Amino acid sequence: EAGVAQSPRYKIIEKRQSVAFWCNPISGHATLYWYQQILGQGPKLLIQFQNNGVVDDSQLPKDRFSAERLKGVDSTLKIQPAKLEDSAVYLCASSLGGNHSPLHFGNGTRLTVT
Amino acid sequence: GEDVEQSLFLSVREGDSSVINCTYTDSSSTYLYWYKQEPGAGLQLLTYIFSNMDMKQDQRLTVLLNKKDKHLSLRIADTQTGDSAIYFCAETPGSYIPTFGRGTSLIVHP
Repeated sequence: EAGVAQSPRYKIIEKRQSVAFWCNPISGHATLYWYQQILGQGPKLLIQFQNNGVVDDSQLPKDRFSAERLKGVDSTLKIQPAKLEDSAVYLCASSLGGNHSPLHFGNGTRLTVT
Repeated sequence: GEDVEQSLFLSVREGDSSVINCTYTDSSSTYLYWYKQEPGAGLQLLTYIFSNMDMKQDQRLTVLLNKKDKHLSLRIADTQTGDSAIYFCAETPGSYIPTFGRGTSLIVHP
């Protein structure tokens, strides 16, 4: 079974620039999550999708962050414009769905904003 | 601050047992998880415990749950250098979405 794929692995941008991250979940997984992991901290949920609908985006800074999952499979997360404090690893995870469905994580995209 | 608390570092000698502790806050958490993160990788589910259990054993891993004190621990028997990683405790409040602690860095030395 192929795992959760994320790209790019690394990205360095200057503040006020835009950046996009891509995630391809495990085939058949209905639920997709984006987490932000700042160095030295645990992952923090940004947004959860169930198929192509948003379930929870209460922690997403909507003035600069956006995410979509148009066909209920792949997802993109965008930051526009980036700030220094956005430097972090952005993790995508997927699960089959349901209340106790284990999350499978990708390797993440490490973003550095200078 | 973080809702789930863990000590930041643990150093053990190879072959010894490691015990990683966690205090969570949401007594309604149905499942409590332990995840492992190796350098440059995402999180990998290690084990979990249902809230009506007080112990679960899975090969070298033993999870203990004290619901009264909201305390969770992970014991790794016969710790190996390959166990060196960051270990995250996660609770699941009503939404069932895992909420993670800051992680405990386990360092295993010969």
